[in-house]
Amino acid sequence: SAVISQKPSRDICQRGTSLTIQCQVDSQVTMMFWYRQQPGQSLTLIATANQGSEATYESGFVIDKFPISRPNLTFSTLTVSNMSPEDSSIYLCSVGREAYEQYFGPGTRLTVT
Amino acid sequence: KQEVTQIPAALSVPEGENLVLNCSFTDSAIYNLQWFRQDPGKGLTSLLLIQSSQREQTSGRLNASLDKSSGRSTLYIAASQPGDSATYLCAVRPHHNTDKLIFGTGTRLQVFP
Repeated sequence: SAVISQKPSRDICQRGTSLTIQCQVDSQVTMMFWYRQQPGQSLTLIATANQGSEATYESGFVIDKFPISRPNLTFSTLTVSNMSPEDSSIYLCSVGREAYEQYFGPGTRLTVT
Repeated sequence: KQEVTQIPAALSVPEGENLVLNCSFTDSAIYNLQWFRQDPGKGLTSLLLIQSSQREQTSGRLNASLDKSSGRSTLYIAASQPGDSATYLCAVRPHHNTDKLIFGTGTRLQVFP
């Protein structure tokens, strides 16, 4: 299994500001993933982050709004830029391991006022 | 386009009952299927992973089956306990060259004493 931590665990932010979420894994992984879970909804993949290359974004998500960094094989950040109340969600990072089982971090609960 | 649906959306049962959660997917060409548990406001905990070549997986009181041809998976929980109360999510991995997961809508389970 993989142990994944996220910071912050929760935050309340004002409209128009940006928040950077950190994801740390206890061992090296090739790919890390960022998901969004809007209130009452299931998870939607935002982007895939490979170390040493640009992140790959899913349809409906753009780099200007959700810039991602992947400086090494154990760490990634997701920034939610120019936030609006519609960005209020739980943001989760995940990694794939061993026969492609995926593991998730505890999530960051973001509220935008 | 792959779509994943879970029925029922919510379930409330007395402690001790055996129960079945259902997951349906529209495209039978999947690589694997994973069941997760999510406690309120928390991240996801992986429960079981079934590869496309497998029919079922078991872990303790949990048993997950997969019928690829009919696009269905079931999660069987034996002798339910109040601690089983959570939202259960299934997710499919469409094919081997992507780690992207497509999530179902979830079943919110409440087990009362």
